[in-house]
Amino acid sequence: DQQVKQNSPSLSVQEGRISILNCDYTNSMFDYFLWYKKYPAEGPTFLISISSIKDKNEDGRFTVFLNKSAKHLSLHIVPSQPGDSAVYFCAAILQGGSEKLVFGKGTKLTVNP
Amino acid sequence: DAMVIQNPRYQVTQFGKPVTLSCSQTLNHNVMYWYQQKSSQAPKLLFHYYDKDFNNEADTPDNFQSRRPNTSFCFLDIRSPGLGDAAMYLCATSRTSGSSEQFFGPGTRLTVL
Repeated sequence: DQQVKQNSPSLSVQEGRISILNCDYTNSMFDYFLWYKKYPAEGPTFLISISSIKDKNEDGRFTVFLNKSAKHLSLHIVPSQPGDSAVYFCAAILQGGSEKLVFGKGTKLTVNP
Repeated sequence: DAMVIQNPRYQVTQFGKPVTLSCSQTLNHNVMYWYQQKSSQAPKLLFHYYDKDFNNEADTPDNFQSRRPNTSFCFLDIRSPGLGDAAMYLCATSRTSGSSEQFFGPGTRLTVL
């Protein structure tokens, strides 16, 4: 039973435009959320995170928005660059200091020049 | 550069033949994790070590075992691989538990013939 859902397997965006990757979760006990980026033949690398006490976190071109009432978060990339082409995983951590990351299936982003 | 290293990157084994995957880290992190990722699926946590304390996920098959002889190394042993165990196996580390960034290795792709 998927507790973290990324319903779009793929997304294609033009260079310079905004990329919006979406993630939904079902467990209200999640209190920390992370986005990971994965290039082919490499392991996932941490991109940005957000605590459940916030609704927005920004780091350069990357912004994560959290809507707790809707159990929804999104990653915005502005402006998108061809080097951003990768698989993006949404992940969540349960309250209580759990070590366990619960991942979504990922969204493959392609940024076209 | 401090990093998480996985060897081998590709492993082929025969049905039922024991196989060991290895992971080492130069980050001196307390926590080491093993994830299984099947094609187009989310990475799934198998187990983790917090220092020497082993934590198994409830749904991890008994066929999967792990050893952590010291801080730097962690091994994944598959006692009798089945065709369904073919997957990418990802090792990750984190400095502490809870809301802590995890650093991933490049993964070992296991093929079972």
